[in-house]
Amino acid sequence: GQQLNQSPQSMFIQEGEDVSMNCTSSSIFNTWLWYKQDPGEGPVLLIALYKAGELTSNGRLTAQFGITRKDSFLNISASIPSDVGIYFCAGSRTGNQFYFGTGTSLTVIP
Amino acid sequence: EPEVTQTPSHQVTQMGQEVILRCVPISNHLYFYWYRQILGQKVEFLVSFYNNEISEKSEIFDDQFSVERPDGSNFTLKIRSTKLEDSAMYFCASNEQGGLNTEAFFGQGTRLTVV
Repeated sequence: GQQLNQSPQSMFIQEGEDVSMNCTSSSIFNTWLWYKQDPGEGPVLLIALYKAGELTSNGRLTAQFGITRKDSFLNISASIPSDVGIYFCAGSRTGNQFYFGTGTSLTVIP
Repeated sequence: EPEVTQTPSHQVTQMGQEVILRCVPISNHLYFYWYRQILGQKVEFLVSFYNNEISEKSEIFDDQFSVERPDGSNFTLKIRSTKLEDSAMYFCASNEQGGLNTEAFFGQGTRLTVV
């Protein structure tokens, strides 16, 4: 199957710091989604990106759809303890099947 | 806010038994999906379903798996003869429309443990 690599694999940051993570693929995608997953829960959609170059914000979160359509990044500004969780990118070519990234585990130290 | 609901939240079954995982997608959504996540790993696509038939399926979705929309609200995943390696979280997802401008919303998952 498709391999989406996320980096970093894990992050430990102080509360208030900004966070940046990215996702790269060997294939082109036409839609990128970013999800957050808490332990034992389902993924919760954070941001959806539909066009190459698109930059979208949702509160303290900002994500961009890379120009090459093979990558995307997610930034979180002024992190807070409830930002803790695993962040997954997901890409799709058709909109019917999403390939998930390997995940970035975020720990916020108060 | 409308949400995807899944039952049961946890299912324990003996190897070789059949299990049915149930999902109620968001009511005006037309596209439905099953994904699974083995503990500590990434979420993997199993199958997409639209207009009462499978649209796409992955190599994981072999003959042991089947999906059904038995009525207007439920969407089920059946595993005919469970194996130990089927132990995972199974997530149902739905979206309003297919195509590229689409956002899939996930349920809370069913944790399947095969013993």
